[in-house]
Amino acid sequence: AQTVTQSQPEMSVQEAETVTLSCTYDTSENNYYLFWYKQPPSRQMILVIRQEAYKQQNATENRFSVNFQKAAKSFSLKISDSQLGDTAMYFCAFMKHGVYSGGGADGLTFGKGTHLIIQP
Amino acid sequence: GAVVSQHPSRVICKSGTSVKIECRSLDFQATTMFWYRQFPKKSLMLMATSNEGSKATYEQGVEKDKFLINHASLTLSTLTVTSAHPEDSSFYICSARPVGQGANTIYFGEGSWLTVV
Repeated sequence: AQTVTQSQPEMSVQEAETVTLSCTYDTSENNYYLFWYKQPPSRQMILVIRQEAYKQQNATENRFSVNFQKAAKSFSLKISDSQLGDTAMYFCAFMKHGVYSGGGADGLTFGKGTHLIIQP
Repeated sequence: GAVVSQHPSRVICKSGTSVKIECRSLDFQATTMFWYRQFPKKSLMLMATSNEGSKATYEQGVEKDKFLINHASLTLSTLTVTSAHPEDSSFYICSARPVGQGANTIYFGEGSWLTVV
């Protein structure tokens, strides 16, 4: 079984600053995906970024980037030039590289989340 | 991106009645859908995995007779909370994993707030 650990229950930074959210995981799998999801007060789960474990290059999406350290089983999220709209819960998640036909494939294993607050 | 629609977004029901929540993948097929429950300020708790055409797989501690899951087509899964009680009040959210290309991401519905009075 996989476990995902987010050690920062809450973080607060000033607008325009850079913030890094930490995530570690434990697995015996070699192929898998890692995700960061954002959940604003609306509760909608929004995919922020995805990393495929077999890719060494760190994923980047505009102001969001990750530092993926496979050997250390670490997957941190960096948000640059933070904005008020970034205020939300952020969940780190793990998914096995399952068969594409679905049917019993495993879903996401989530961390407990980090509540990020961007101060004006 | 892929869209998952969940309905209703909010529902209030009387104690002892049943309520059904629908989860539809609008632009892709999903043989596997997942149902989560989320308590305030907590992470998502997986309740069950819904498999098209077969029985759902429930997580330990989840009552399968209380939370009925049906996945009758490749685009629709339903969660029925039977004989609902106030302690069942919660936020329920579904997700779907596409078949084939795109199966490396899971997409979420908007969630449903259930209040049992």
